[in-house]
Amino acid sequence: DAKTTQPTSMDCAEGRAANLPCNHSTISGNEYVYWYRQIHSQGPQYIIHGLKNNETNEMASLIITEDRKSSTLILPHATLRDTAVYYCIVRGNFGNEKLTFGTGTRLTIIP
Amino acid sequence: DAGVIQSPRHEVTEMGQEVTLRCKPISGHDYLFWYRQTMMRGLELLIYFNNNVPIDDSGMPEDRFSAKMPNASFSTLKIQPSEPRDSAVYFCASSFSWSNQPQHFGDGTRLSIL
Repeated sequence: DAKTTQPTSMDCAEGRAANLPCNHSTISGNEYVYWYRQIHSQGPQYIIHGLKNNETNEMASLIITEDRKSSTLILPHATLRDTAVYYCIVRGNFGNEKLTFGTGTRLTIIP
Repeated sequence: DAGVIQSPRHEVTEMGQEVTLRCKPISGHDYLFWYRQTMMRGLELLIYFNNNVPIDDSGMPEDRFSAKMPNASFSTLKIQPSEPRDSAVYFCASSFSWSNQPQHFGDGTRLSIL
């Protein structure tokens, strides 16, 4: 699976949009971009995933660049409960089930 | 719907004792994964099953670790004998097997070996 690079930490004001970047310059054509987050003392929580089109669900939006070498997770209206470590993971297609977690971005929402 | 259920949530035991961690996957999921999280190594995959069959156990640290899945709704991770360096949070996750389905995690078992 391709390696990802994320900032170590970020702050965001409560109520503002949180934009979390991820670089995955070695991503291959059949690899998806997944985002998980881990709130203290809980298991990782699935947020969203995509291949090449932008995706949106009730939690977040995922913007993938046209060359697929980077992506941005957007939390549109951050709340204090969004404080967590966010992991960007590149994962192969069916038959390659592993999720390889890096160190992620520690997002702190500031009141 | 119930998520992945792990038990116990916390376990404290003395080194040399046998430890058994338990996991109930989400009903209908046919993949089950065991992960371990430590400060030093982060989250790492230990083993995963498909339809109750172990597929990849290359992440299992050594022979003291074993995992079983006797049926579709239950899995165990056993450590015998336990050592202080096994102290970690152990997570179980499950997913459907068709293409690119997300894994859903339990809240983990925090294991402390004294």
